[in-house]
Amino acid sequence: NAGVMQNPRHLVRRRGQEARLRCSPMKGHSHVYWYRQLPEEGLKFMVYLQKENIIDESGMPKERFSAEFPKEGPSILRIQQVVRGDSAAYFCASSARLLFTDTQYFGPGTRLTVL
Amino acid sequence: AQKVTQAQTEISVVEKEDVTLDCVYETRDTTYYLFWYKQPPSGELVFLIRRNSFDEQNEISGRYSWNFQKSTSSFNFTITASQVVDSAVYFCALSGSTDSWGKLQFGAGTQVVVTP
Repeated sequence: NAGVMQNPRHLVRRRGQEARLRCSPMKGHSHVYWYRQLPEEGLKFMVYLQKENIIDESGMPKERFSAEFPKEGPSILRIQQVVRGDSAAYFCASSARLLFTDTQYFGPGTRLTVL
Repeated sequence: AQKVTQAQTEISVVEKEDVTLDCVYETRDTTYYLFWYKQPPSGELVFLIRRNSFDEQNEISGRYSWNFQKSTSSFNFTITASQVVDSAVYFCALSGSTDSWGKLQFGAGTQVVVTP
């Protein structure tokens, strides 16, 4: 039973480039969450998605960041025109359903480094 | 607003000692869920346990045990007879309806260092 998959595991970008992070949820899971782990800020919620819907994006920066979870394929977290402050570990989690709340299982993370 | 506090930044123990990690939470919700996750040096986040607010029964699983006390808003975690493989950062997290059920509010984490 494959867990949550994220790729790439490591991503290096220069300032101004775009970063695309991919997340495939666990089999049978239809809820996806993205979190960011910054060295001095800890783990912070970014966005919660279901298939083709953004449920809660209260943690997403207002500019340059977007997320989607299409009907087919993985969830994508996209960061446009990256800056050094975007360097962080980005974790994706998935859960089976939302009955009050369901356990979120995390992927291995993508470490983004912006040069 | 919801808040999770892990006051201990780092705990160092010698192998076979017990270690208890503190977690104190704040929420206005009457129904909420608490979690512990482990982040070993390899970096992934591993789910350990989930508790709901209406179940204060404490739990033991192998060398791990949890003490949930609603009266003091605490959800502490104990590792008995620690091993070097327990070295990791441990995060306490909260989910409730005030924000959204899908959002986990994490504490800052406690680094556990177990030396042989």
